[in-house]
Amino acid sequence: KQEVTQIPAALSVPEGENLVLNCSFTDSAIYNLQWFRQDPGKGLTSLLLIQSSQREQTSGRLNASLDKSSGRSTLYIAASQPGDSATYLCAVKSGAGSYQLTFGKGTKLSVIP
Amino acid sequence: GAVVSQHPSRVICKSGTSVKIECRSLDFQATTMFWYRQFPKQSLMLMATSNEGSKATYEQGVEKDKFLINHASLTLSTLTVTSAHPEDSSFYICSTVHSGSSYNEQFFGPGTRLTVL
Repeated sequence: KQEVTQIPAALSVPEGENLVLNCSFTDSAIYNLQWFRQDPGKGLTSLLLIQSSQREQTSGRLNASLDKSSGRSTLYIAASQPGDSATYLCAVKSGAGSYQLTFGKGTKLSVIP
Repeated sequence: GAVVSQHPSRVICKSGTSVKIECRSLDFQATTMFWYRQFPKQSLMLMATSNEGSKATYEQGVEKDKFLINHASLTLSTLTVTSAHPEDSSFYICSTVHSGSSYNEQFFGPGTRLTVL
């Protein structure tokens, strides 16, 4: 059974810092991995999706990497802003024939002005 | 990305009543929708997969008679929490798979906060 772990559970940084969020998964046989953002009391916004054959994806100040063999992904946020404050969730899709996503518990990020 | 809406965004009800939550895909047809539940500081847990025109597939431990799912059209799925109890209080989120999206990317609704008194 796939398990997804995110460390740390919470992170507080001053504005302008670069930061890294970590995600690990137990079964390396994944189809893809997604990073989401969730604001308090809101749904999920997809940030980046990395296919199992890819090593990284970039969107603006965000860069996500994937090391499938070691079961790890990182989300790098450059030049953090207070508006980046949210909970970041990592989710893996295990098979091409299945839509099911397995989520981590998330990392709650606070960017202090 | 695709747009998914949920209604209501927040509902408070008395114990023993039933509550219906709607999930709509606004700009595409969704043959498959998913219903998740999220407790505070916990992961999203998949409850069931809703397929248009057929019965939903429930995850282990989810009571199908308590959480009724209907996917009568390609743009609408409903989740009815029957005889709700305080332990059903949670954040319910639906998602859809956009058939035109690469890699079967899922798009999520804004969620519904259910509070059972």
